[in-house]
Amino acid sequence: SAVISQKPSRDICQRGTSLTIQCQVDSQVTMMFWYRQQPGQSLTLIATANQGSEATYESGFVIDKFPISRPNLTFSTLTVSNMSPEDSSIYLCSVEDRGLGLYGYTFGSGTRLTVV
Amino acid sequence: GIQVEQSPPDLILQEGANSTLRCNFSDSVNNLQWFHQNPWGQLINLFYIPSGTKQNGRLSATTVATERYSLLYISSSQTTDSGVYFCAVKRGSTLGRLYFGRGTQLTVWP
Repeated sequence: SAVISQKPSRDICQRGTSLTIQCQVDSQVTMMFWYRQQPGQSLTLIATANQGSEATYESGFVIDKFPISRPNLTFSTLTVSNMSPEDSSIYLCSVEDRGLGLYGYTFGSGTRLTVV
Repeated sequence: GIQVEQSPPDLILQEGANSTLRCNFSDSVNNLQWFHQNPWGQLINLFYIPSGTKQNGRLSATTVATERYSLLYISSSQTTDSGVYFCAVKRGSTLGRLYFGRGTQLTVWP
């Protein structure tokens, strides 16, 4: 199975600042997915990131708030900009993992963000 | 998008008890996965099971794709089984996103 290194694992940030979350995969993948999990809720897809093109954002998420970079086939970053307490969530990246099965997915260990 | 419903939303068990978690989905899928989210927020893949039955130790899962449901069985539960169990599905094209259910919060008491 693919191994994803996600950093940081947790952070406490001041409102109005930005945080960049990194995901490094040990194999080349076409797509990377970024999810948000608000407290007590399920996972919501923020955007899909392809290498060499603009990320595709889901309804309710915009590039100015959640800019994404995908410079190569093993790495991506998600920035949470101009943070407010409502951004306090767990953020997770995910990739398709052929080691699990034809359409299996693996997740990073998550970034627990608290905005104060 | 595809609808994924999990039941029950909450489950409280005594250590050693057995349990069954259910996942219903609204459309045909080419992937179904069960995840366990531990208290630290890590999402651990339990089963990749678009159809059929699989077993891994005390856990087993069955997906009946034609009837659009999956079951996760936990036998002889332990306190370390506590956490949230998510069912997630993918449909259609080769590359795409997962759709998650709302999860089942499992608490196992000693």
